[in-house]
Amino acid sequence: GAGVSQSPSNKVTEKGKDVELRCDPISGHTALYWYRQSLGQGLEFLIYFQGNSAPDKSGLPSDRFSAERTGGSVSTLTIQRTQQEDSAVYLCASSSPGQGLKLFFGSGTQLSVL
Amino acid sequence: TQLLEQSPQFLSIQEGENLTVYCNSSSVFSSLQWYRQEPGEGPVLLVTVVTGGEVKKLKRLTFQFGDARKDSSLHITAAQPGDTGLYLCAGVAKKIWGQFYFGTGTSLTVIP
Repeated sequence: GAGVSQSPSNKVTEKGKDVELRCDPISGHTALYWYRQSLGQGLEFLIYFQGNSAPDKSGLPSDRFSAERTGGSVSTLTIQRTQQEDSAVYLCASSSPGQGLKLFFGSGTQLSVL
Repeated sequence: TQLLEQSPQFLSIQEGENLTVYCNSSSVFSSLQWYRQEPGEGPVLLVTVVTGGEVKKLKRLTFQFGDARKDSSLHITAAQPGDTGLYLCAGVAKKIWGQFYFGTGTSLTVIP
């Protein structure tokens, strides 16, 4: 597609439920990032995929968070047993060698845990 | 852990005024970027600075990378309402891809 696509754009869930957030990166981009952003704040790094290398999971806040990237393209971020403190905007970004250091971001998924 | 501290956190100014936003760290970065984010959207890259002491100008915006590659500033001349948004700095630890460390953000409102 023309840009990074994230779905759903909004997700409301109850505490304790599992949620899956999806990211479709720009076609051909080998690097994919997930970030979390609390209201009006900076971005907290969660996980980074680069090609076929093992992902950098150093930013995942707990073992309730996991992510996978299938076929080097689409990525899914899964949060199990959601807590109220998980409420935030989850942003996905992709990049590629031809783009240098430029990250292309999606519009994010607003997650609200009631 | 936030490696990049931005100041001020919030800034509200009148149209036509000048302003400077600071991004400071105790870490050295190979390059530093500035992004602007509007409500409901993802951040959009404004500039990348890669050389210590480098100054880049983008119309009314001037970006500077500190000599020690630990800090940066963004100066806006004659601010316009269209400059309103969240400004984020990001330090790049590695030359190609790697982890981008984002700052705490500066929310700018320009009042017409």
